[in-house]
Amino acid sequence: NAGVMQNPRHLVRRRGQEARLRCSPMKGHSHVYWYRQLPEEGLKFMVYLQKENIIDESGMPKERFSAEFPKEGPSILRIQQVVRGDSAAYFCASSRYTGVGTDTQYFGPGTRLTVL
Amino acid sequence: DQQVKQNSPSLSVQEGRISILNCDYTNSMFDYFLWYKKYPAEGPTFLISISSIKDKNEDGRFTVFLNKSAKHLSLHIVPSQPGDSAVYFCAAANYGGSQGNLIFGKGTKLSVKP
Repeated sequence: NAGVMQNPRHLVRRRGQEARLRCSPMKGHSHVYWYRQLPEEGLKFMVYLQKENIIDESGMPKERFSAEFPKEGPSILRIQQVVRGDSAAYFCASSRYTGVGTDTQYFGPGTRLTVL
Repeated sequence: DQQVKQNSPSLSVQEGRISILNCDYTNSMFDYFLWYKKYPAEGPTFLISISSIKDKNEDGRFTVFLNKSAKHLSLHIVPSQPGDSAVYFCAAANYGGSQGNLIFGKGTKLSVKP
């Protein structure tokens, strides 16, 4: 059973460009979460999605960031007009279901975004 | 305001001895706690979890203890092995509040010396 897959693993963008990060959850998982880790920091929650629905986007910056999890295909985290402060590692996690208290989020390897 | 705190940025132990990693939290609504291990340039790997209705959970060399009154949990690794050297993150969730997101501490870097 393949784990959570993220691509690309490394992404370099110039200021003002767009960054698209993709996440394919584990087989059988319908919940996807995006987290961001800045240097020397812990992971910070950004957004929680189910298929075709955004459940919680309380951690998303108000501008330039968006996320989707379509019926078919991977979840996409999109950052428009990137700035240097967007440079970070972006991790995706998936789970089978939530709210039960016994579920676990499994993480992908991350996408390291560098903005020049 | 940090809701999950790992006050020791680093810890060094000798191979074969016990490693104790600590974590404090402030939000009494947290009902589920997890420990993840992370190697450089990789994603966090789930280690062990505990529900707030328990005070201990054990899985092989890993044991997590929860003290709800003190809002404190700890991860014990015994015996420690060099391959355990990594950054350990404590995370908490409020699943009862239907909040699926995890709140992470900043991590503790464990070094196990041969």
